[in-house]
Amino acid sequence: AQSVTQPDIHITVSEGASLELRCNYSYGATPYLFWYVQSPGQGLQLLLKYFSGDTLVQGIKGFEAEFKRSQSSFNLRKPSVHWSDAAEYFCAVGEGTYKYIFGTGTRLKVLA
Amino acid sequence: EAGVVQSPRYKIIEKKQPVAFWCNPISGHNTLYWYLQNLGQGPELLIRYENEEAVDDSQLPKDRFSAERLKGVDSTLKIQPAELGDSAVYLCASSPPSGSPGTGELFFGEGSRLTVL
Repeated sequence: AQSVTQPDIHITVSEGASLELRCNYSYGATPYLFWYVQSPGQGLQLLLKYFSGDTLVQGIKGFEAEFKRSQSSFNLRKPSVHWSDAAEYFCAVGEGTYKYIFGTGTRLKVLA
Repeated sequence: EAGVVQSPRYKIIEKKQPVAFWCNPISGHNTLYWYLQNLGQGPELLIRYENEEAVDDSQLPKDRFSAERLKGVDSTLKIQPAELGDSAVYLCASSPPSGSPGTGELFFGEGSRLTVL
C-alpha cells in the first residue's frame, strides 16, 4: 500500500535561512509526487509536482524539490525563507492521476 | 477563473444534529473529491466522483455520511447524525479531465470547519 512519511512535525528557521522539508514515500511503481502548502484557515495550494523527466522540479514561490528514486524521497527546498512562508506543508503521492495519499504535514515557523 | 467554492466556511452544531456542506468545483473539472482533515493531519479521502458517478467511496462512513453530485457539477456532503468525533475540516477538491492543463493536480477549496458540541 502507498504511504507517505514526513518525519518532521515542526521546523523552525530564521528568515533568510535555507529550508529543507523531508518526504519519504512507499509505492511500487514510479509515483506522481506533489508538495502542497496550507496557510491557516485556507485550503491546500499546489507548490510543485513531479510526474516524470527531470528529477529536479521548480515550483512557485521559489520552491524546488528533488525526486530521488534510490532513497524514495521527494524533499522540498528553498534557498532563502521569507516570513510569509510560515505555513503547513504536505507531501503527497499519487497513484495515477486520481488517487492521492497525503503525509501528516510539517509545520514551518519562521523567525524574524 | 473562479476557484473551488465551499460553504459554509464554519459550522457549529450539537451532536446528533444533521449538517450539510456544499461544493462548487472549478468549471470543466469532471473529478470532484471530498476530503476529511483532522487537526494536525493531512487530508484523507472520503469520496471521489467522476462526473455524477461515485467511483471511490470506500472510506465514506455510510452509516452516517452521504454525498451526492447531481448533474455532475455541484456536490453536497451530509452527516446525519453528527458525532463529537466528526469535528474536523471538510475539504472539497476538483481536478480537470486527463490531458487538460492541470491534469493530475488537485485544486482545493478553503474548507468547511465543523465543530460538534
